[in-house]
Amino acid sequence: SYVLTQPPSVSVAPGKTARITCGGNNIGTKSVHWYQQKAGQAPVVVLHYDTDRPSGIPERFSGSNSGNTATLTISRVEAGDEADYYCQVWDTGSDHYVFGTGTKVTVL
Amino acid sequence: EVKLVESGGGLVQPGGSLRLSCAASGFTLSPYWMTWVRQIPGKGLEWVAKIKRDGSEKYYLDSVRGRFTISRDNAKKSMYLDMNSLRVEDTGVYYCAGVESMAAAFDPWGQGTLVTVSS
Repeated sequence: SYVLTQPPSVSVAPGKTARITCGGNNIGTKSVHWYQQKAGQAPVVVLHYDTDRPSGIPERFSGSNSGNTATLTISRVEAGDEADYYCQVWDTGSDHYVFGTGTKVTVL
Repeated sequence: EVKLVESGGGLVQPGGSLRLSCAASGFTLSPYWMTWVRQIPGKGLEWVAKIKRDGSEKYYLDSVRGRFTISRDNAKKSMYLDMNSLRVEDTGVYYCAGVESMAAAFDPWGQGTLVTVSS
């Protein structure tokens, strides 16, 4: 089955840049979506189709996807960005959806 | 307001059954594939099942296939998950979510309903 691997945690100071990676075999050939989940809440899409921001998501959130790694970048990090972040793809081989292992972003 | 609301969670013994419901408001369910995603408390997200717009195709996570059944009633703007032969490892918060197309992101999401399988 297809596996997506994320670092368990990322710590970043306010105003700095956080980068969260999502590793998967040839993930660059798939569409990657990113979700933000704050404590006690349902996930919310922050990026879809690798780089597109849904309405209402700040420009500080951006993404890239190439080779075996997709990346979510949060620029000018704010305290309100503290959350768990998950990548997700549709695995056409199994016709299943797959989530990454999740990354906890801590704002110092 | 576009909203999904899950219900039906609760405490059940191993081997027992539960039916989860997901009700839509503020939008029409029929254009969406619908899915169930679960989350063990303190752990990550895991896709469980999905159903095509007209209910003609259903797909399941290997560990729930044969025990769980996903269904929908577009006229009632509702989706369901019948869970049988429940195991301790099925414990978690179950979210319903809509998907506009197979490769699209999950959006919207419900707020989740907690299923606890314990003796």
